[in-house]
Amino acid sequence: EIVMTQSPATLSVSPGERVTLSCRASQSISSHLAWYQQKPGQAPTLLIHGASTRATGIPARFSGSGSETEFTLTISSLQSEDFAVYYCQEHNSWPPTFGQGTKVEIK
Amino acid sequence: EVRLAQPGVEVKKPGESLKISCKTYGYSFSRYWIAWVRQMPGKGLEWMGIINPGDPDTRYSPSFQGQVTISADKSISTAYLQWTSLKASDTAIYYCARRNMDWNYIDYWGQGTLVTVSS
Repeated sequence: EIVMTQSPATLSVSPGERVTLSCRASQSISSHLAWYQQKPGQAPTLLIHGASTRATGIPARFSGSGSETEFTLTISSLQSEDFAVYYCQEHNSWPPTFGQGTKVEIK
Repeated sequence: EVRLAQPGVEVKKPGESLKISCKTYGYSFSRYWIAWVRQMPGKGLEWMGIINPGDPDTRYSPSFQGQVTISADKSISTAYLQWTSLKASDTAIYYCARRNMDWNYIDYWGQGTLVTVSS
């Protein structure tokens, strides 16, 4: 199985700030990476797939980049509704694996 | 509108069996694989397995092979996740989800079923 490692585990941020989350794969996954957002008590929602393609309805402040083993999710200006846990997931192999998540909390 | 509907809560005792459902709406059920994802209390997400309702071809993650059974009834657009003998360590939220048509990522999620196994 491919191991996905996210950093940091927790990020304390003020509204309006730019946020960068990292995700590293234990081996090359090309651009086969998805990002999800999970708010407390809710199911995850898809933000990004193919490393950089926003899912339907996702605001432009969310962007993804990277390839092979290093990936980034950027939120250009954090809104109040963006405080959540973010997971990366490789979709290159079986079984697909998630990172352990990064919690974005209010500073 | 694509929707996956799951029961909210199931409470069981160790050793009991359980089959949870995932009824889908708003798309052609046979055209998309359905995935099951586990989230243990306070923890992250784990792919358990997937089923192609049209075949039905089924694939399991090694950690879940032999522990659960995934099935589907395309006549009622519903997928299932089943245990024959629950353990306390099966306590978790179980999400059903629609896998993207081409790749192993999820584009729509159910709201999750909280399974609590306690004596």
